[in-house]
This record gives sequence, C-alpha cells and structure tokens, in this order.
Amino acid sequence: DSGVTQTPKHLITATGQRVTLRCSPRSGDLSVYWYQQSLDQGLQFLIQYYNGEERAKGNILERFSAQQFPDLHSELNLSSLELGDSALYFCASSVDEGNAGELFFGEGSRLTVL
Amino acid sequence: AQKITQTQPGMFVQEKEAVTLDCTYDTSDPSYGLFWYKQPSSGEMIFLIYQGSYDQQNATEGRYSLNFQKARKSANLVISASQLGDSAMYFCAMREIYSSASKIIFGSGTRLSIRP
Repeated sequence: DSGVTQTPKHLITATGQRVTLRCSPRSGDLSVYWYQQSLDQGLQFLIQYYNGEERAKGNILERFSAQQFPDLHSELNLSSLELGDSALYFCASSVDEGNAGELFFGEGSRLTVL
Repeated sequence: AQKITQTQPGMFVQEKEAVTLDCTYDTSDPSYGLFWYKQPSSGEMIFLIYQGSYDQQNATEGRYSLNFQKARKSANLVISASQLGDSAMYFCAMREIYSSASKIIFGSGTRLSIRP
C-alpha cells in the first residue's frame, strides 16, 4: 500500500459526460501529480500541484482541469468526454517538488468512455 | 528538453537468467534523478530503484541494479536471477531536480516476459 488513495477505481460513462477523479496523497506529501495511461502505452504527464499551486503542466487537454485543495487532496476533472479519453488515470505524490525522491502512485482510476 | 527512450518494446527471458532493460535519457539539467518502475498486469506502479546524477556508485536493491553510464546517458536496469513474478511492464523515468517544473517523465516501457 503506497498510501495514495484514488477514487473511484473504475468508472464507466458516456461520451459528452463529465467526471471527477479524486486523489488523496500520502500523509505529509505536498506534491501531487496526475498521469494518463492509455491502453498499452506509457504514462503521459498531465499536471503537477505543490501545496495548492500548479507547478508543471504537460500535454493536458483544455477539456481537463485539476486543482489541489487546502487539505492537499486533488481532483482531476474531465469534461466533454470522448472515446479516446478511456484510460487509466494515476495520481502520485511526493514529499516536495524538487527533491530526488520517488513518486508514490495510487492504484489508478480506470475510466471507460462508451 | 527532457526525454526518456526505451527501445525494447518486449523481451522474453528464461527463468533464472539475468536480464538487462535498456534506457537512455536526455536532459540539459546537471542534476537529475533516474527511476525504474514495474507495472504488473494488475496495473499498479511499483517503485524499484533510484539513481541520482551525482551518485558515484550504481544503485542496487536486492535483485535489481541500475547500470548508470552518465557520459552515455544510459540507465539500464539489470534484474539478476529472473523469476516468473518479474513478468510485467517496466518503465524508466527521469526527474530534473532543479528545474522549475520538476515533473517526472516516463519512457514508453518494456514488456518483460519470463519463460519457465
């Protein structure tokens, strides 16, 4: 158990809908990262937050948004969903933003768009 | 810009043999960290090993070792005495430590299959 909690674990929805994925980082970790992993692909970096502030942005679509709340949990919002958004979405956390420490990953939220 | 390259999409290895998974990287940051993660079929990401750019010795963790060749910008993962449970996807990753955007980027992965 990495200590990172993601909900829901599985989600099935229809095109055009909006979903929210939630992540609770490890206790004490200030930095949260979101990654997208499409079928048989690598992990694509979406966005990073540190102590509530956006720190780095990857190739995140405009239909996607995220935020980190004062209690450090984070939410990834996906709207106007398309079939191609079906993927495993990982949240990861680390102690801070610039150290050499590893990322601790949650178990992922598997999104299926029908 | 950061870049991680894994050139082996898939590998088959006989049980108990050693295996080397290749990883090359590119960065202009003098300070960076290199990681390897394992992703079994169940989907979770499992941290295996870490190497800092200023570390003098190659990192080792049990059966895992990282063959770090800084001048060649390579960070290959070596698994000794492979086991059936080693069958999984393996991802190499890198973080630029002093970059203002210290995201960790991942390679495309290598699918390792261990034959009994």
